[in-house]
Amino acid sequence: AQKVTQAQTEISVVEKEDVTLDCVYETRDTTYYLFWYKQPPSGELVFLIRRNSFDEQNEISGRYSWNFQKSTSSFNFTITASQVVDSAVYFCALSDAPGGSYIPTFGRGTSLIVHP
Amino acid sequence: NAGVTQTPKFQVLKTGQSMTLQCAQDMNHEYMSWYRQDPGMGLRLIHYSVGAGITDQGEVPNGYNVSRSTTEDFPLRLLSAAPSQTSVYFCASSQGQGAYNEQFFGPGTRLTVL
Repeated sequence: AQKVTQAQTEISVVEKEDVTLDCVYETRDTTYYLFWYKQPPSGELVFLIRRNSFDEQNEISGRYSWNFQKSTSSFNFTITASQVVDSAVYFCALSDAPGGSYIPTFGRGTSLIVHP
Repeated sequence: NAGVTQTPKFQVLKTGQSMTLQCAQDMNHEYMSWYRQDPGMGLRLIHYSVGAGITDQGEVPNGYNVSRSTTEDFPLRLLSAAPSQTSVYFCASSQGQGAYNEQFFGPGTRLTVL
């Protein structure tokens, strides 16, 4: 069975601080995909990034970066120089490949509050 | 494209009432699913469908029914509403069969059961 753990329930930072959101996953499959979604205060859920289990390269997109480490089963998300607009709930998700339903399992989410 | 649409946006029910939450997508996606979001619990899968005529249970299916007669629509029925079903409900769709496909979410329905 697949499982996603986001141990940080809520993180509070001041604008311009760097912040890392942790995500630890469990799966028995060797092929799987990891995702991050953002839910701003308006409530919609927005896809941010996808990573497959064979690609451990870190990814950077502007102020956002993702660190995927199979050795520790983690897929952490870092926001550099945080801004108030980054305030949101962030969800990590895992989707298995062969034999699975392909419907992802989500973590419980981390609420990020960025203060001006 | 409208993407994934959900109606209604808000609903208040009394215990024991039944209702249907509507979900439609215009992206010709095969996969559709229903999640509920409760504080501190994240998104929990209720039911999902991998194509028209095929549905299956997720993590928390009790008290809910679904059907998938067309590719576009995936309604969620509450048979006899209970206060424990007070939640925000999200419908999602994804393209094709593959773990790599991201989910497209609807705007959500906020349901209160008194």
